[in-house]
Amino acid sequence: DIQMTQSPSSLSASVGDRVTITCRANQNIINYLNWYQQKPGKAPNLLIYAASSLQSGVPSRFSGSGSGTDFTLTISSLQPEDFATYYCQQSYSSVTFGPGTKVDIK
Amino acid sequence: QMQLEESGPGLVKPSETLSLTCSVSDASISRYYWSWIRQPPGKGLEWLGNIYYGGSTKSNPSLQSRVTMSEDTSKNQLSLKLTSVTAADTAVYYCARGRAYGSGSYFWFDPWGQGTLVIVSS
Repeated sequence: DIQMTQSPSSLSASVGDRVTITCRANQNIINYLNWYQQKPGKAPNLLIYAASSLQSGVPSRFSGSGSGTDFTLTISSLQPEDFATYYCQQSYSSVTFGPGTKVDIK
Repeated sequence: QMQLEESGPGLVKPSETLSLTCSVSDASISRYYWSWIRQPPGKGLEWLGNIYYGGSTKSNPSLQSRVTMSEDTSKNQLSLKLTSVTAADTAVYYCARGRAYGSGSYFWFDPWGQGTLVIVSS
């Protein structure tokens, strides 16, 4: 089974900050890696697919990078609406999600 | 714009079968892949399975023997059944459209329904 980890598990940041979230797989998943944002009480929303492709309608301050086992989601300038939990998801073998990273207000 | 809406009993007794429906509007279910995902309260996301063109399915190995997914093209609905439920199956259950690319290993979920909470309790 492919296990996904995320770091940090939570972070506090201010509006305007640059935020980076890391997702790591326990084996090579090429770039079969997606990112989602989830706000409280809402369904997840796709941000990035195939590690670095921005989903239509998602603000350009979100970006993804990485390949192999290590991936990052970057928010270049954190906005008030970005406070949420972020999940990575691999599809190289079956489907598994990371445990999530909660971004809250400092 | 495609919309998905999950529905079903909000309370299921232990050892019974959880049954949910996902109604899809503004899109034909026969044109896409579909997925079920759940999220226990306060916890992370767990993929349950996919249903593909023609009704073939692939389930999470950890739940495979308990999960049944199907489609009703006449009603444009998907269904999920989970047998022998326990308190550990208490969760918000989501349906989502699965998007595949290339060989199929590129696979993501978009859009999602709003989810429905199912509590397993006597």
